[in-house]
Amino acid sequence: NAGVMQNPRHLVRRRGQEARLRCSPMKGHSHVYWYRQLPEEGLKFMVYLQKENIIDESGMPKERFSAEFPKEGPSILRIQQVVRGDSAAYFCASSPPGRGVGQETQYFGPGTRLLVL
Amino acid sequence: DQQVKQNSPSLSVQEGRISILNCDYTNSMFDYFLWYKKYPAEGPTFLISISSIKDKNEDGRFTVFLNKSAKHLSLHIVPSQPGDSAVYFCAASYTGNQFYFGTGTSLTVIP
Repeated sequence: NAGVMQNPRHLVRRRGQEARLRCSPMKGHSHVYWYRQLPEEGLKFMVYLQKENIIDESGMPKERFSAEFPKEGPSILRIQQVVRGDSAAYFCASSPPGRGVGQETQYFGPGTRLLVL
Repeated sequence: DQQVKQNSPSLSVQEGRISILNCDYTNSMFDYFLWYKKYPAEGPTFLISISSIKDKNEDGRFTVFLNKSAKHLSLHIVPSQPGDSAVYFCAASYTGNQFYFGTGTSLTVIP
């Protein structure tokens, strides 16, 4: 049973380019979460998605960032016109449907380390 | 606004002794708490959880204690092993809401 998969593991972009981060949840999991970890900081919630729906995007920056979880395929976190401050580790987590949001354990992927030059 | 706080950024413990990692929270609505362990260049790994209807949950060498009146939880690892050296994050949530993570405590277990 494969865990949460993220790719790429490392991504280097120049300022102004676009970054696309992919996340495939664990089998049977329908909830996906994206977190960002800046150097020397904890994990910050960005967005929570179910298939074809954004449930909570309260942690997403208002501009340049978007996320989707299509009916088929992985969840995508897209960062347009990247800036140096976007350099961070981006983690995806998934959880099964069940007792409800905030009541199910989230399982994390290995993360994508984005470096903006 | 940091709703979950881990005030000790680091902790060193001798192998075989007890490690105690602490976590404080401010939101009295939180009713589900988790601890994660993270090695460098890897994603966090779930360790143990506790719901607010309990004050203790044990899994092998790991025990989580919850003190709701003090809004405090702790993770006890006994006996500590060198392989336990990692960063530990606590997280809290309430139904229908996101998880809030602390900033982590780096545990070093000295052989």
